[in-house]
Amino acid sequence: NAGVTQTPKFQVLKTGQSMTLQCAQDMNHNSMYWYRQDPGMGLRLIYYSASEGTTDKGEVPNGYNVSRLNKREFSLRLESAAPSQTSVYFCASFLSDGRRQAYRSQPQHFGDGTRLSIL
Amino acid sequence: KNQVEQSPQSLIILEGKNCTLQCNYTVSPFSNLRWYKQDTGRGPVSLTIMTFSENTKSNGRYTATLDADTKQSSLHITASQLSDSASYICVVSAAGSYQLTFGKGTKLSVIP
Repeated sequence: NAGVTQTPKFQVLKTGQSMTLQCAQDMNHNSMYWYRQDPGMGLRLIYYSASEGTTDKGEVPNGYNVSRLNKREFSLRLESAAPSQTSVYFCASFLSDGRRQAYRSQPQHFGDGTRLSIL
Repeated sequence: KNQVEQSPQSLIILEGKNCTLQCNYTVSPFSNLRWYKQDTGRGPVSLTIMTFSENTKSNGRYTATLDADTKQSSLHITASQLSDSASYICVVSAAGSYQLTFGKGTKLSVIP
C-alpha cells in the first residue's frame, strides 16, 4: 500500500548539473502531477500528465522536462540545474475521468517530496 | 487570475481548544474546494472535498464549510490535539481543468 513514491528524498546538486526525479504510483491513477513548494508560496504546478502518453505545461515549466514512462511512472528532469530551482518537489496522482475534467470527488495523493538544493 | 487566499498565516492554540481557518478564492468557474493537511516534511493529505452543491463536510474532528456565493470556505477543528500541528492548505479546482490553485496555507501549532 505504498501510494505515491518519490526518489530520491534529498539531493544536492551543483549549478549546471542535470538530474531526474522519479515518481511512481500504485493506485492505477490516470493523472500525475509535478509541483514545487517554496517558502511562503503555495504549491505551483510544473507539469502534469492527464493520461498515459500526454503531458502538459503547468504554471512554472521553464527549466524542466517530464516523461510519462507508463501509467505508473512520471519523471521530472532538470537539464541544467540553477539555484532558483532549489525547492521541495512533490509528485501527485489523481483518478480523473480522462476527459480534461477534474474528478470532483477524488483527492490528489501526494508523495513525501524530494528536497533539492542547488549550489 | 485564479487565486486562493488563506488566513491567518499562522495560529497557536492550546490543546483541547477549537479553531477556525479561513479561505477566500476567486477561481472561476468553480468545480470543487479541498482542504489538505501537511505535516512537516511530508506531502499534503486530503481532509475534505466539497463541490458546488455541498456546504458542509466533516472528517472526524475536522469540519469544512463552503459558501459558493461569497466564495469563502472555513475549516473548523474541534478539541485540538498535538497531532493537529501542521499546515492546512485550501485548494480550489476550476471546472474543465486538471489544474488546481493552492493557497499558501495556515500553519497551526497546538501547544500543551
